[in-house]
Amino acid sequence: EVQLVESGGGLVQPGGSLRLSCAASGFTFSTYWMSWVRQAPGKGLEWVANIKKEGSEKHYVDSVKGRFTISRDNAKNSMYLQMNSLRAEDTAVYYCAREGWESSGFDCWGQGTLVTVSS
Amino acid sequence: QSVLTQSPSASGTPGQRVTISCSGSSSNIGSNFVFWYRHLPGTAPKLLIYMNHQRPSGVPDRFSGSKSGTSASLAISGLRSEDEADYYCAAWDGSLSGWVFGGGTKLTVL
Repeated sequence: EVQLVESGGGLVQPGGSLRLSCAASGFTFSTYWMSWVRQAPGKGLEWVANIKKEGSEKHYVDSVKGRFTISRDNAKNSMYLQMNSLRAEDTAVYYCAREGWESSGFDCWGQGTLVTVSS
Repeated sequence: QSVLTQSPSASGTPGQRVTISCSGSSSNIGSNFVFWYRHLPGTAPKLLIYMNHQRPSGVPDRFSGSKSGTSASLAISGLRSEDEADYYCAAWDGSLSGWVFGGGTKLTVL
């Protein structure tokens, strides 16, 4: 069964850091692009970042550039999101999502992990 | 403000057909595929439509997608109470080098 499980969320003060993890199973992780997508309270879905299969190419939404870093370890079937200089507006449920082959969209999602930035 | 524009709400009665629209620009919908997702807050979003009109296996043919120029739409026929959810369109934006989502449409089945 294809599965994505996020972890690492929690309460952090403004300006603090947090590292999210996404553990993948049930598929060949190294052959897929992967993304982080978030949903702030009462808001819609917002794509945050993605990373190419071998990690050589990464893209970020403007609002997190310079603060967040996406990475992956294909040997551990895992993806990460290092979040620094966190702001209140980063408060959201963060989802890990697989980008399917050949333009098939985000075809698998995790259940999400909640990040709350508050003093 | 989302890059893709959706009406915030839509509604219909059981058995009816509803359409949810999504408007973008030449850098996203106009030059790339459109995708549709269904989401109930607190759960994992689900892919409904990919490549403008293709349905993943397991998605009933009551759901259909279309695209014309810089706009796209999702149609749901034979509306059921379990179709109540938030629906999002998405596309790759070449100018932003990133994925963009619509603001979401909350579908209510009356």
